[in-house]
Amino acid sequence: EPEVTQTPSHQVTQMGQEVILRCVPISNHLYFYWYRQILGQKVEFLVSFYNNEISEKSEIFDDQFSVERPDGSNFTLKIRSTKLEDSAMYFCASSDPGILVSGANVLTFGAGSRLTVL
Amino acid sequence: AQKITQTQPGMFVQEKEAVTLDCTYDTSDQSYGLFWYKQPSSGEMIFLIYQGSYDEQNATEGRYSLNFQKARKSANLVISASQLGDSAMYFCAMREGYGNKLVFGAGTILRVKS
Repeated sequence: EPEVTQTPSHQVTQMGQEVILRCVPISNHLYFYWYRQILGQKVEFLVSFYNNEISEKSEIFDDQFSVERPDGSNFTLKIRSTKLEDSAMYFCASSDPGILVSGANVLTFGAGSRLTVL
Repeated sequence: AQKITQTQPGMFVQEKEAVTLDCTYDTSDQSYGLFWYKQPSSGEMIFLIYQGSYDEQNATEGRYSLNFQKARKSANLVISASQLGDSAMYFCAMREGYGNKLVFGAGTILRVKS
C-alpha cells in the first residue's frame, strides 16, 4: 500500500540551529501538508501546499518556517532558527481530491519526525 | 471556540466489548467532513472512517462505525468487539467546506483490558 515516508524519524538539535525535515508523499498525490503535535497535545495544522505554492498556512507557520518541493518527489519543511517550543512531532501528509477513500479526500500521514530542541 | 471537542481524555474497555468515543464539532458550513484517525504508540496516524455532512447513513468500516447526529453536531466513533490492538490515541477531525485542512480534537486515549 502506498505510504508517506518521513526522514529523519528523530532529530535532536541545539536552539538556534536550522532543521530540515523531509517527506516523500504518495507519488500521484497533489496536495501536501505539514502538521505538528507537541507532546501530549492535539495535532495542529501548519501549512498546505499545492501546485508549487502554499495554499493555506496557520498562524504557527511564521517566517521561521518554510516549505519546498525541490524535485518531483520530496517535500521539505525548514525551520530556520529553532526554538525550544519547536520541539514536537512533525507529520507530513498528502492527498488527492480526485482519489476518494470511503468517499472522502483522505489525508495519508507519514509516521512523523520527532524534533527535540535543546 | 473549539472546532472539535473530545471530552474523554481516556477510556477503558474490556476486550470484546464495544466502546463509544465522543466527538462534537462546531461549524457554520453546510458542507463538511468528519474523520477519525488512530494513533498507536508508534506514532503514525491511521485513517479509520469518514462521514460527510450530506451522508444520510452512518458510516461503517468493519468494526468501526460512526454515530452521526447532525442536529446535535456529534460524530461519535463506535468500536465493536474491542481488541488489544485497539489500544491507542483516537483523534476526531473536521474538514470545513471544500478545503483540505483538517482541524483535530485533543484526542482520547483508549486502553483495552484483557
